Amino acid sequence: DAGVIQSPRHEVTEMGQEVTLRCKPISGHDYLFWYRQTMMRGLELLIYFNNNVPIDDSGMPEDRFSAKMPNASFSTLKIQPSEPRDSAVYFCASSSGLVNTGELFFGEGSRLTVL
Amino acid sequence: ILNVEQSPQSLHVQEGDSTNFTCSFPSSNFYALHWYRWETAKSPEALFVMTLNGDEKKKGRISATLNTKEGYSYLYIKGSQPEDSATYLCAAHNQAGTALIFGKGTTLSVSS
Repeated sequence: DAGVIQSPRHEVTEMGQEVTLRCKPISGHDYLFWYRQTMMRGLELLIYFNNNVPIDDSGMPEDRFSAKMPNASFSTLKIQPSEPRDSAVYFCASSSGLVNTGELFFGEGSRLTVL
Repeated sequence: ILNVEQSPQSLHVQEGDSTNFTCSFPSSNFYALHWYRWETAKSPEALFVMTLNGDEKKKGRISATLNTKEGYSYLYIKGSQPEDSATYLCAAHNQAGTALIFGKGTTLSVSS
């Protein structure tokens, strides 16, 4: 398996622009997570899905952030409009099942810089 | 909100030294504790998943213990090597079906 695939790996954009980050989880994994890594807060959970359904989005910073999972093999995290404080590395991870204490498999991350 | 704390924040040791770091978490409603290793420019990779009080797991020179009654886990590295340099993340969740909450990590640097 190719692992969790994220795109783009790097994105530089200007304040106010829309940003879309993409994730393809490992085939067969039924949980998908979006985390954000910053120096100040470490790795913080934004939202996660189970069987394509959002379960907990309490970590989403504000209405500018939205996430979707239209099918089992694809998820997006969208920021509109983007702001400089959104600059961070965004990680997607998937798991075969939290009930079985399944480990997370992370993508390589999308480094976002908002100027 | 589940709060996971790790200490120290960073650590510098010499090659051959043994070291350990701590992860603390709320002991109430504990479900599982994970350790991940995160090398620079890579993504975090799982080391251990532990659920039972008294659990002890080992992978090569790295081992971990779990105390769910008092809410802590230790990660030990025996005879540190430069390739052990990484950030070690601890994560916990307090019930089935909830997401992992991560600590901020302990960054280990091993000098040769």
